[in-house]
Amino acid sequence: EAQVTQNPRYLITVTGKKLTVTCSQNMNHEYMSWYRQDPGLGLRQIYYSMNVEVTDKGDVPEGYKVSRKEKRNFPLILESPSPNQTSLYFCASSLWTGGTGELFFGEGSRLTVL
Amino acid sequence: SQQGEEDPQALSIQEGENATMNCSYKTSINNLQWYRQNSGRGLVHLILIRSNEREKHSGRLRVTLDTSKKSSSLLITASRAADTASYFCATDGLDYGQNFVFGPGTRLSVLP
Repeated sequence: EAQVTQNPRYLITVTGKKLTVTCSQNMNHEYMSWYRQDPGLGLRQIYYSMNVEVTDKGDVPEGYKVSRKEKRNFPLILESPSPNQTSLYFCASSLWTGGTGELFFGEGSRLTVL
Repeated sequence: SQQGEEDPQALSIQEGENATMNCSYKTSINNLQWYRQNSGRGLVHLILIRSNEREKHSGRLRVTLDTSKKSSSLLITASRAADTASYFCATDGLDYGQNFVFGPGTRLSVLP
């Protein structure tokens, strides 16, 4: 089954404790992206990747890191989480064909930073 | 930079009525897509319309695109309670490279 898998789905952590949210897709997609969703603000892009070893900042990259060492994986790293990073995070992937590919989303990771 | 803006922010209708949501964007685009999100879940792709298309249909969905006004509309006909969800437009703009940008969404409530 074609899917985007995020882990963990729920996480409560404390300020400053490094964490990684994993994202994996099984569709051989070139494009992957991370979004955060906050009430009233819609989805804001954190980072995206057009292919292996190619990553770019989105609208809200501060406090986050990503890597794309393999095509299928695109982990989101919070080196020193802060309470303002409490949010619902989504990973998405697409078979980028000049922008005509639909985005496939994971089920989301709800992060709370105390 | 927020490319798309949906309007209205929230819409409440009775089952069987039609629901219309609008999306405006700022820069030239290649394509515009509409997505649906059930509460707290991942977004699901509904329909894509290319910049050289004016209208597209998929089941009970009708999407229009007016590139001169930089706007799109999503019409859901004969709505059902199961259509209750948030709807987002996403654009990939010519001016900001190969990337998808989402608007804040329209929250649709269909009352039985």
